[in-house]
Amino acid sequence: NAGVTQTPKFRVLKTGQSMTLLCAQDMNHEYMYWYRQDPGMGLRLIHYSVGEGTTAKGEVPDGYNVSRLKKQNFLLGLESAAPSQTSVYFCASSFEVGELFFGEGSRLTVL
Amino acid sequence: AQSVTQPDIHITVSEGASLELRCNYSYGATPYLFWYVQSPGQGLQLLLKYFSGDTLVQGIKGFEAEFKRSQSSFNLRKPSVHWSDAAEYFCAVGARGSTLGRLYFGRGTQLTVWP
Repeated sequence: NAGVTQTPKFRVLKTGQSMTLLCAQDMNHEYMYWYRQDPGMGLRLIHYSVGEGTTAKGEVPDGYNVSRLKKQNFLLGLESAAPSQTSVYFCASSFEVGELFFGEGSRLTVL
Repeated sequence: AQSVTQPDIHITVSEGASLELRCNYSYGATPYLFWYVQSPGQGLQLLLKYFSGDTLVQGIKGFEAEFKRSQSSFNLRKPSVHWSDAAEYFCAVGARGSTLGRLYFGRGTQLTVWP
């Protein structure tokens, strides 16, 4: 009964370092999303995927890349981290409109 | 484009008091509407949703919301708040006919419950 699992849950990076956040879902959902949450800003969509092998840009895609090589996994990459990318990142998946299932979040700090 | 406004950033109520959280949306047609709740350190959980039909929808944990087309609103209510309801609440809108499933979220309302 895992649902949506994000790893790692916490990470501290130095400016310029790279990292990958992994999202895995076991519900056979077609759609997967990466959001970032910042105080007072709500959730903003970074990238999303409507199926294996497909990705698309959301509202705030700059500085991030994604890949969906397997249906159950959606990776979010930061090639050169910046302090502005300090945030809490949420992965979500859905089978249809609105029924988003969220992971517990990954807190990233960039020094 | 769709957008969601939650006018109240922070609301404080006493335990046992009634609650209403406001949500207004901007969309050219009737959208899909949702309320999510986020407890500290957790992801978001769906409270309730409106797709069509009865404009008063019931959700989990005793919450309800009413869709008012004329006011472009989807306010969340609870008759008697419990201390465990303290959390952040997000209203979201999705586009009818969209195959993408993506949602637009409001900025959230933080609820504090006094004992």
